[in-house]
Amino acid sequence: AQRVTQPEKLLSVFKGAPVELKCNYSYSGSPELFWYVQYSRQRLQLLLRHISRESIKGFTADLNKGETSFHLKKPFAQEEDSAMYYCALRAGGSNYKLTFGKGTLLTVNP
Amino acid sequence: ETGVTQSPTHLIKTRGQQVTLRCSSQSGHNTVSWYQQALGQGPQFIFQYYREEENGRGNFPPRFSGLQFPNYSSELNVNALELDDSALYLCASSLVTDQETQYFGPGTRLLVL
Repeated sequence: AQRVTQPEKLLSVFKGAPVELKCNYSYSGSPELFWYVQYSRQRLQLLLRHISRESIKGFTADLNKGETSFHLKKPFAQEEDSAMYYCALRAGGSNYKLTFGKGTLLTVNP
Repeated sequence: ETGVTQSPTHLIKTRGQQVTLRCSSQSGHNTVSWYQQALGQGPQFIFQYYREEENGRGNFPPRFSGLQFPNYSSELNVNALELDDSALYLCASSLVTDQETQYFGPGTRLLVL
């Protein structure tokens, strides 16, 4: 069975400060990891996926299989980054199911 | 915004009743997934439909059932409602060739009294 843990329910930083949202997972195979974001009064949307190795809105995330982590990072937080962030895992192969963590609410203060 | 819509937006039912929630997928998307999100929790996978057949199921009892129609709209039916069924129900559509990119609807908030 797979599990995703986001240890911080709340994270508060000041504008311009670095931010790191933690995500740890438990899965015996090769997972695919994602970050989803939900801005205030908007629907859940995909932010980035590890296989793309992309940077979206200044955010990056590296899959560390040794530490079973997929932390989301941004060097300089902006107020518009304030949102709920969910880490999600999809088991490898043809598995369709996304397993989500409980989410971290990020607040970026001016 | 994506084209995934859900109805109704809010619903109040009593224990033991049955409920049907509806989802209209984004144009061209042939796969639809349903999730339950309890307060303070992340979304939990209920099941997925592809080509009008259930394509996988999470850890939910059989009283949770669904349908997918040829126009890729979908229904989630819950029988014998329990208090713990109170949650936000999310629908997400995707292409079967790109299931990582799931487009979520705004959700239906169900309250069971």
